[in-house]
Amino acid sequence: DGGITQSPKYLFRKEGQNVTLSCEQNLNHDAMYWYRQDPGQGLRLIYYSQIVNDFQKGDIAEGYSVSREKKESFPLTVTSAQKNPTAFYLCASSLHRDLNTEAFFGQGTRLTVV
Amino acid sequence: AQSVTQLGSHVSVSEGALVLLRCNYSSSVPPYLFWYVQYPNQGLQLLLKYTTGATLVKGINGFEAEFKKSETSFHLTKPSAHMSDAAEYFCAVGSSNTGKLIFGQGTTLQVKP
Repeated sequence: DGGITQSPKYLFRKEGQNVTLSCEQNLNHDAMYWYRQDPGQGLRLIYYSQIVNDFQKGDIAEGYSVSREKKESFPLTVTSAQKNPTAFYLCASSLHRDLNTEAFFGQGTRLTVV
Repeated sequence: AQSVTQLGSHVSVSEGALVLLRCNYSSSVPPYLFWYVQYPNQGLQLLLKYTTGATLVKGINGFEAEFKKSETSFHLTKPSAHMSDAAEYFCAVGSSNTGKLIFGQGTTLQVKP
């Protein structure tokens, strides 16, 4: 089945540790996105990538890093510099940057700092 | 810069009543507009989208939305609410100019029996 897979579904991290969230898609989409969701704040864009080996900062990129070495993969690293990392993280992809086609979402990863 | 404002973080309707969820956008270029629905602890599912052409857009589950350029609005409606419509709804704006997809704060729809 085609789609976007995020793993793990739940993730616990100790303060001061880096952690990487996985996002894989087999839809042959060019564009991929990472969003952070907090109650009452909607989805805020962290990073996005329109093509392999290229990515841009979104609105809240501080404390996060990404890579896009393969078309199907767009992992997000939450670094120790992110002061409040506990949140629900959503990955999405769309066919291309033109955005006249819909974005498809993964099921999300809930990250908790303990 | 693009932005989206959803008026009302919570909307409550009775089953069978009209659903109206409001969305206003800001965009310096012709926008692409979307409505998504999210059920608890899940990803987002597309309800409908406007890219070009007809300004009244019909989506899944009986929802529709009308693009009004003069009002910079893209409100979501459904004539008769069903219990299964209870969820969180997000309006989003994108453009080919930036490649960014920006979401509003979300509106939680409660449907009362």
